[in-house]
Amino acid sequence: EAQVTQNPRYLITVTGKKLTVTCSQNMNHEYMSWYRQDPGLGLRQIYYSMNVEVTDKGDVPEGYKVSRKEKRNFPLILESPSPNQTSLYFCASSSVGEKLFFGSGTQLSVL
Amino acid sequence: GESVGLHLPTLSVQEGDNSIINCAYSNSASDYFIWYKQESGKGPQFIIDIRSNMDKRQGQRVTVLLNKTVKHLSLQIAATQPGDSAVYFCAENIRHNFNKFYFGSGTKLNVKP
Repeated sequence: EAQVTQNPRYLITVTGKKLTVTCSQNMNHEYMSWYRQDPGLGLRQIYYSMNVEVTDKGDVPEGYKVSRKEKRNFPLILESPSPNQTSLYFCASSSVGEKLFFGSGTQLSVL
Repeated sequence: GESVGLHLPTLSVQEGDNSIINCAYSNSASDYFIWYKQESGKGPQFIIDIRSNMDKRQGQRVTVLLNKTVKHLSLQIAATQPGDSAVYFCAENIRHNFNKFYFGSGTKLNVKP
């Protein structure tokens, strides 16, 4: 089954404790992206990647890092999480210029 | 996309009626549009898409209409069912900027049995 898999689904952490949210897709998509979704706001892009070793900032990159060492994986790293990073996070992938496929989301709470 | 704010617009319809959800976009260079459905606790699911060389596209029980003159997009759901209850939002992509989608904040559809 074609899918984007994110882990974990729920994560509660404390300020400053490094964490990684994993994302993997099995559709051989070149493009992958991370979004955060906050109440009443549209999805906002954090980082994206056009292919292996090619990443760039989206609209809200501060406090986040990504890497794309393999085509299928695109982890999101929070080196020192802060409470304002409490949010619902989605990973997405697509062929370039085509519709995005989204993962099920990761609800992150930073205390 | 739709207006941004803390409170999502809500559309309540009776089961079996047709639903129309609207989306306004502002960039005349946008040439690819997608409607997504998001159920509580789940990721956005693709419903239907349309490119700017078309005015209308139909899927199973859904139709998307694109009016480029007034920069307006609508999603019509025929014979709305309780399972259609969700947040619906549109996404737009600007020509040649394949890495960038702009998302509306969404409309909450409530289907009353």
